[in-house]
Amino acid sequence: KNEVEQSPQNLTAQEGEFITINCSYSVGISALHWLQQHPGGGIVSLFMLSSGKKKHGRLIATINIQEKHSSLHITASHPRDSAVYICAVRIAGTASKLTFGTGTRLQVTL
Amino acid sequence: DAGITQSPRYKITETGRQVTLMCHQTWSHSYMFWYRQDLGHGLRLIYYSAAADITDKGEVPDGYVVSRSKTENFPLTLESATRSQTSVYFCASSEGTALNEKLFFGSGTQLSVL
Repeated sequence: KNEVEQSPQNLTAQEGEFITINCSYSVGISALHWLQQHPGGGIVSLFMLSSGKKKHGRLIATINIQEKHSSLHITASHPRDSAVYICAVRIAGTASKLTFGTGTRLQVTL
Repeated sequence: DAGITQSPRYKITETGRQVTLMCHQTWSHSYMFWYRQDLGHGLRLIYYSAAADITDKGEVPDGYVVSRSKTENFPLTLESATRSQTSVYFCASSEGTALNEKLFFGSGTQLSVL
């Protein structure tokens, strides 16, 4: 079983829909990252969380440390949000090791 | 250009050949990383470096060599390429003393070993 699990693996939504992508992990962590990988392959860091909630534009990321769970929400989705969203955790006690989920592929249609 | 750049973007090589993938960053970030991305796997850490002349193994280091003689460069060498090393390779950098900092990724190198 992977230490980081994302759901769903694939998601199709219509423009304007509210989207939620989930990330669950089985180890103690000190931080969690959300990344976005566009169809061209480039990877962009969206958020780094250690507690609570962060918001940037239409993107909201939350984390519940006790439940070992994080969610990424996209409000008013748009076709340009189509990408793979990747969750990664920094395992507690490891200085440099990030463990990545396999990603959620999101397609937003008109 | 400012940022983090990888070269080449695409590379085809043959089994047994030595291949070097280049990574250059202009921010003077302390930390640099090499990951590989394969279908069905998340990104996996090959090697990382905390500063010039300091490197350490990641999750999947076998068959790879790195060096970091200058802060801005972090080349990855496949000493004798194997088909299992066909993958997309990403270089990343971070300015933090630990990974509690934003990561910046290069555009990736798609490597095919025939």
